[in-house]
Amino acid sequence: DIQMTQSPSTLSASVGDRVTITCRASQSISTSLAWYQQKPGKAPKVLIFKASSLESGVPSRFSGSGSGTEFTLTISSLQPDDFATYYCQQYNTYWWTFGQGTKVEIK
Amino acid sequence: QVQLVQSGAEVRKPGASVKVSCEASGYTFTNYDINWVRQAPGQGLEWMGWMNPNGGDTGSAQKFRGRLTMTRSTSIKTAYMELSSLTSEDTAVYYCARGTGERITIFGVLVTRGYFDYWGQGTLVTVSS
Repeated sequence: DIQMTQSPSTLSASVGDRVTITCRASQSISTSLAWYQQKPGKAPKVLIFKASSLESGVPSRFSGSGSGTEFTLTISSLQPDDFATYYCQQYNTYWWTFGQGTKVEIK
Repeated sequence: QVQLVQSGAEVRKPGASVKVSCEASGYTFTNYDINWVRQAPGQGLEWMGWMNPNGGDTGSAQKFRGRLTMTRSTSIKTAYMELSSLTSEDTAVYYCARGTGERITIFGVLVTRGYFDYWGQGTLVTVSS
């Protein structure tokens, strides 16, 4: 199965900061990658699919890029509601796998 | 609006089985796969398996084969996940999630290769003696 590795595991940032999270795949997954946001006690919510497509209703401060084995999720200006844990997920090669998560904390 | 509503929390003893339900509404149930994802306390997300409600084909991650059974009732638009031979390591929140994307053929069955656009609220399963 394909291993997904996120970095960093934890990120401390302030409101207004530009934040970037990286996700690396153990082999090429083309652009078959999604990003999710999860808040404590809640189900994950999809933000980005196909590496760079914004899910309907998701604020435009979220963006995704990358292809092959390296991907990034960028939050252009961090808002109070964005403090959460973020996961990447590949769906190129059966079976589907998630990264281990990146927690975005208040600095 | 699309909703997935799961059954309530469960407590089981080691060696027992648990069955979690996921009732769908707001879309055509048979048009989208239902996936199951779990999250152990303080840990990340782990994909377990999928089911095609139109026909009942299923598939799962290797670590769950032989222990995971996924079924459905199309008349009441409900998917079920049953996990057997429980151990304390199965203590987790279990989520159902709708899969969206392209349909491809894997091992002779149709699978949705895509992401999860709607999720249930989660069901906590606690395994304790």
